[in-house]
Amino acid sequence: GAGVSQSPSNKVTEKGKDVELRCDPISGHTALYWYRQSLGQGLEFLIYFQGNSAPDKSGLPSDRFSAERTGGSVSTLTIQRTQQEDSAVYLCASSLRNPGATNEKLFFGSGTQLSVL
Amino acid sequence: AQSVAQPEDQVNVAEGNPLTVKCTYSVSGNPYLFWYVQYPNRGLQFLLKYITGDNLVKGSYGFEAEFNKSQTSFHLKKPSALVSDSALYFCAVSRNTGKLIFGQGTTLQVKP
Repeated sequence: GAGVSQSPSNKVTEKGKDVELRCDPISGHTALYWYRQSLGQGLEFLIYFQGNSAPDKSGLPSDRFSAERTGGSVSTLTIQRTQQEDSAVYLCASSLRNPGATNEKLFFGSGTQLSVL
Repeated sequence: AQSVAQPEDQVNVAEGNPLTVKCTYSVSGNPYLFWYVQYPNRGLQFLLKYITGDNLVKGSYGFEAEFNKSQTSFHLKKPSALVSDSALYFCAVSRNTGKLIFGQGTTLQVKP
């Protein structure tokens, strides 16, 4: 596709359920990021992939959060036993290479709005 | 550890006036600095970045930012604000490790 695609766009779940959020990056982009944007908060870094490996998982809030990336393309973010404080917009972004490289920039998806009741 | 501070939650400016959105950073070594913008009901978009070279960086929509190493700042500026510039602006820092850390964001409100 032309841009970063995230699905679902909205997810309402009950406390304690597991959810999976999907990110389809721009074709050929090797770097993929997950961020969380809560109401009144900034963008909270969750995890970063270079290819299929995750050099930095330091932003994952707890062991209920996990993410994987297969084939250097699609990534899924899984939240187990969801809590109300998990409610937020989960944003995915991709870049061709490391964003420190010359002329690199992140392309963001529209996000998944997660609501935990 | 990398960190970014945007000291103002909101900046209000009249259309046609110059605007400044402030950003300071903390990182060991040379920083890579970015500004992104989030328009209402739209995704985040890249505005500009500083990697090396000229301290004044020009970006999209007439925005520019000045890197000041001694003050560890990277303030976003525009000589003449437009109502359509009203949006949420994020400053971010990286150290070529792939991890891009964003600030809390500043809401820019430009009034006619």
